[in-house]
Amino acid sequence: GESVGLHLPTLSVQEGDNSIINCAYSNSASDYFIWYKQESGKGPQFIIDIRSNMDKRQGQRVTVLLNKTVKHLSLQIAATQPGDSAVYFCAEIGGTSYGKLTFGQGTILTVHP
Amino acid sequence: DVKVTQSSRYLVKRTGEKVFLECVQDMDHENMFWYRQDPGLGLRLIYFSYDVKMKEKGDIPEGYSVSREKKERFSLILESASTNQTSMYLCASSQTGSLSPPTLALVEQYFGPGTRLTVT
Repeated sequence: GESVGLHLPTLSVQEGDNSIINCAYSNSASDYFIWYKQESGKGPQFIIDIRSNMDKRQGQRVTVLLNKTVKHLSLQIAATQPGDSAVYFCAEIGGTSYGKLTFGQGTILTVHP
Repeated sequence: DVKVTQSSRYLVKRTGEKVFLECVQDMDHENMFWYRQDPGLGLRLIYFSYDVKMKEKGDIPEGYSVSREKKERFSLILESASTNQTSMYLCASSQTGSLSPPTLALVEQYFGPGTRLTVT
């Protein structure tokens, strides 16, 4: 079936470093991708999105890259801060998955001061 | 800011009880969703609704039902709770995309804080 997965379940970085979180997806018909951040005890929060007609989108300290050829998505966080420590999920929508977000497993990002 | 609230943060119920989880959103969103989140399995869609009194099954609807009598409120019902329904339950809402034909989910979903349900 369709799935979205993450290469690394955990990532530890030092404060100030750049972080890269990766995600692979299998549905080539996906139209739209979202990165969510989930802090302990909270629901997921939107970080950034990208549509399939783009290959890069930048936000504040975050950049999402989309490589449709290899069905790969990444989230780059610049100058990572302790407040960035959370679980990060990628999610995809599109094709036949009308109305449904398909989530990846999540990557735990830990930022050490 | 969009606000999605859930009736309880923590809930403990006994096997066989009927359980109601309530979700309310204040942004007049058409679409509402119920997910469960389990370690190693990520978020899985239980049911969603794209209009009042409308509902669609998600990926894991068995053992659950939903009710959407008002636009702002979406209820998840466990008819007879079982221990394998112990989980974190997350509600979300979204607007309908502006493309034609309308694409339900090509827009961001806003999540509530979650309800951690334990069934003993």
